Amino acid sequence: QKEVEQNSGPLSVPEGAIASLNCTYSDRGSQSFFWYRQYSGKSPELIMSIYSNGDKEDGRFTAQLNKASQYVSLLIRDSQPSDSATYLCAVNAEGYSTLTFGKGTMLLVSP
Amino acid sequence: ETGVTQSPTHLIKTRGQQVTLRCSSQSGHNTVSWYQQALGQGPQFIFQYYREEENGRGNFPPRFSGLQFPNYSSELNVNALELDDSALYLCASSSKLTGGNSPLHFGNGTRLTVT
Repeated sequence: QKEVEQNSGPLSVPEGAIASLNCTYSDRGSQSFFWYRQYSGKSPELIMSIYSNGDKEDGRFTAQLNKASQYVSLLIRDSQPSDSATYLCAVNAEGYSTLTFGKGTMLLVSP
Repeated sequence: ETGVTQSPTHLIKTRGQQVTLRCSSQSGHNTVSWYQQALGQGPQFIFQYYREEENGRGNFPPRFSGLQFPNYSSELNVNALELDDSALYLCASSSKLTGGNSPLHFGNGTRLTVT
């Protein structure tokens, strides 16, 4: 049974702070890792993908992957109230385009 | 380039009824995947269609079935609706030619409420 674990939160941070979201996964065969943002009542929106160990930066977002520890994280710098949403971690195995999702972490950024 | 579109946006059905949800894939994409997202949960994989055939299935009963058409659009059918089928149903398209590591981009979803 492939599992993806996330703290459900809510994670509360003040505006301008760094938000750190974490995710662990059980399947060592996982090769691709994604972070989706989901606003209430909306569908998930892809914000980051990462495929190799290390950091990947895109604007205010940094994804970090450690395959040995089966751990992936998302850092959001200079958090804005508009970042308030649920962040879903998703993984898939090599050659498969199906994703296993965590339950998501709710992020609340207060002005 | 048009993205993934789903219809209807919202739907209310009664327990025991049947429902059909529709999805038009993104231009150039030949694979369609369906996910169910219950309230407070992450999306769960239902099944995937490639070239009009089912190409993988999650842990869902046979009353969840699908179709893919020659233009790669797809339908999700659910028979004998149960209250627990109330959820957001998400469709995503992708291209097998790009391999399995391409990110999935979802449509806006269909919110199904079963009463």
